[in-house]
Amino acid sequence: RKEVEQDPGPFNVPEGATVAFNCTYSNSASQSFFWYRQDCRKEPKLLMSVYSSGNEDGRFTAQLNRASQYISLLIRDSKLSDSATYLCVVNNRIGYSTLTFGKGTMLLVSP
Amino acid sequence: IAGITQAPTSQILAAGRRMTLRCTQDMRHNAMYWYRQDLGLGLRLIHYSNTAGTTGKGEVPDGYSVSRANTDDFPLTLASAVPSQTSVYFCASSEGAGAVGELFFGEGSRLTVL
Repeated sequence: RKEVEQDPGPFNVPEGATVAFNCTYSNSASQSFFWYRQDCRKEPKLLMSVYSSGNEDGRFTAQLNRASQYISLLIRDSKLSDSATYLCVVNNRIGYSTLTFGKGTMLLVSP
Repeated sequence: IAGITQAPTSQILAAGRRMTLRCTQDMRHNAMYWYRQDLGLGLRLIHYSNTAGTTGKGEVPDGYSVSRANTDDFPLTLASAVPSQTSVYFCASSEGAGAVGELFFGEGSRLTVL
């Protein structure tokens, strides 16, 4: 099982749609979880951290299920500007404490 | 606000040549990282440094070396470039070690090895 797995997509949705991304991770000792956003040919940028109780930031909601080792990101009322690749990121504490990135899920929002 | 500056932005390099990718941050962050990003493989950690004077190996360190002489600079050197090192390289930093917080990335260096 790969350390962090995501559906690569692309997810093609119309403006205003609700879309959900899923991510699974293999290291049960992982402590910290994040969603990053990467625009085409740009650097990744932090979208939001993921907390155990779930958290919301405007149209974005992140959920964590430690028992299932599963993370999700829900985007409501999609905008054209949401088109990007969304990276699931997990803190890996085995060997060295650094982040492990999923390969990303591409979202394309159309008019 | 500069954040992280990488140079060069892009470079075409002949196989066997030595190349240093430069990375400078002005945020006084303790930890710095080098990642490479390849299509279908995502971001993979090459080397990291939790604080000035220390470095560590990441997931794909072979063929690369780093140094951290001071807080701000974290250059990545390819001693003898090979075509498989063609990639986009991202330098990143975080305030603390252990990557428990936000990573700030540079704009990337696109390297082509022929």
